[in-house]
Amino acid sequence: TQLLEQSPQFLSIQEGENLTVYCNSSSVFSSLQWYRQEPGEGPVLLVTVVTGGEVKKLKRLTFQFGDARKDSSLHITAAQPGDTGLYLCAGEEVGGSEKLVFGKGTKLTVNP
Amino acid sequence: DTAVSQTPKYLVTQMGNDKSIKCEQNLGHDTMYWYKQDSKKFLKIMFSYNNKELIINETVPNRFSPKSPDKAHLNLHINSLELGDSAVYFCASSQVARLNTEAFFGQGTRLTVV
Repeated sequence: TQLLEQSPQFLSIQEGENLTVYCNSSSVFSSLQWYRQEPGEGPVLLVTVVTGGEVKKLKRLTFQFGDARKDSSLHITAAQPGDTGLYLCAGEEVGGSEKLVFGKGTKLTVNP
Repeated sequence: DTAVSQTPKYLVTQMGNDKSIKCEQNLGHDTMYWYKQDSKKFLKIMFSYNNKELIINETVPNRFSPKSPDKAHLNLHINSLELGDSAVYFCASSQVARLNTEAFFGQGTRLTVV
């Protein structure tokens, strides 16, 4: 079983639409990170959230860390084709093995 | 200037061969990593080095041997390659070994074993 479950696995939308992707776990995390990976490239960090209930904004992207620090969401407003990519969440589990664990990602396609 | 660079970008080789992937970072970071991303895009850590010392060694077959000649380099040598080793291998680095610090990834090496 995956420690971090991401949903949906695939998402294809039109330019201008809003979307939310989710990262869920039954475990508590001391921090969660969101990365975006484009084809043929390595993941690039978008944000790190560390406090339960924390909300961070990065232009049209809004990240939220759940109050219980078990889940996170990424909301994109007015998606653009440049947002296309694989969105990965990664976390450091409390009491875990001191390694960063990744979800399997949400593959987002924004069509012009 | 590329922050984390790994070579080669593509590697096609036959089963049973031995191959190496090289990684260099020019960010002055203390910690470097090797990750494996399978065909389903699942990214999993293999090794982590801090100042040339191994700090994380996941359950990776001992055919995989990392080597860090200095803190700017972390190479990955793979012996007796198997079909299941086919994947994209990413090198990454971070300033310190704390897990919530930003990791900078290389472009990846797509290894295909035939």
